[in-house]
Amino acid sequence: AQSVTQLGSHVSVSEGALVLLRCNYSSSVPPYLFWYVQYPNQGLQLLLKYTSAATLVKGINGFEAEFKKSETSFHLTKPSAHMSDAAEYFCAVSVNQGAQKLVFGQGTRLTINP
Amino acid sequence: DGGITQSPKYLFRKEGQNVTLSCEQNLNHDAMYWYRQDPGQGLRLIYYSQIVNDFQKGDIAEGYSVSREKKESFPLTVTSAQKNPTAFYLCASRASLANYGYTFGSGTRLTVV
Repeated sequence: AQSVTQLGSHVSVSEGALVLLRCNYSSSVPPYLFWYVQYPNQGLQLLLKYTSAATLVKGINGFEAEFKKSETSFHLTKPSAHMSDAAEYFCAVSVNQGAQKLVFGQGTRLTINP
Repeated sequence: DGGITQSPKYLFRKEGQNVTLSCEQNLNHDAMYWYRQDPGQGLRLIYYSQIVNDFQKGDIAEGYSVSREKKESFPLTVTSAQKNPTAFYLCASRASLANYGYTFGSGTRLTVV
């Protein structure tokens, strides 16, 4: 069965600083990997996805993530944080088998300091 | 525009009452899912349905029930058997291919009073 671990339930960075949110996955078959963002009292919005094409994936709002099979990681980065990036971020894994369920990490709350 | 509509956005329920949360999609997606979100616990799968008239239990199905009579609709009933129903509930749908990911509704916040 697949699983996801997000390191750090809270991350705080200064405006303009690098954002790095960590995600490690476990899967016995090649996975599909996703990052979602959630603003307060809203649903989840897809930031980006890895589907076995390019290992460096670019998403919306200047975010990108790199799939590293050897490290079983899919960390999310943004070169320069903006106040509007404050939200909760979820990493998720799915496989192209069976019910194709998404399994989510616990989430990381990102705070941006002015 | 296509999307998923969840209603109501806020719902209050007295203890011992059943309540039904609505989820409608016009994306022509085959699969639909219900997740429960609690602070610090991420999203946990309640029920999912891959086709009309068929659904399966997720990880935390006890105290919940669903139906899938139409492709567009996947309502969730929170029964009085659910011990701790206060939570944020999210509905999602997915096209046929897993690599498309899910599309989420805006959620329903249920509070038991």
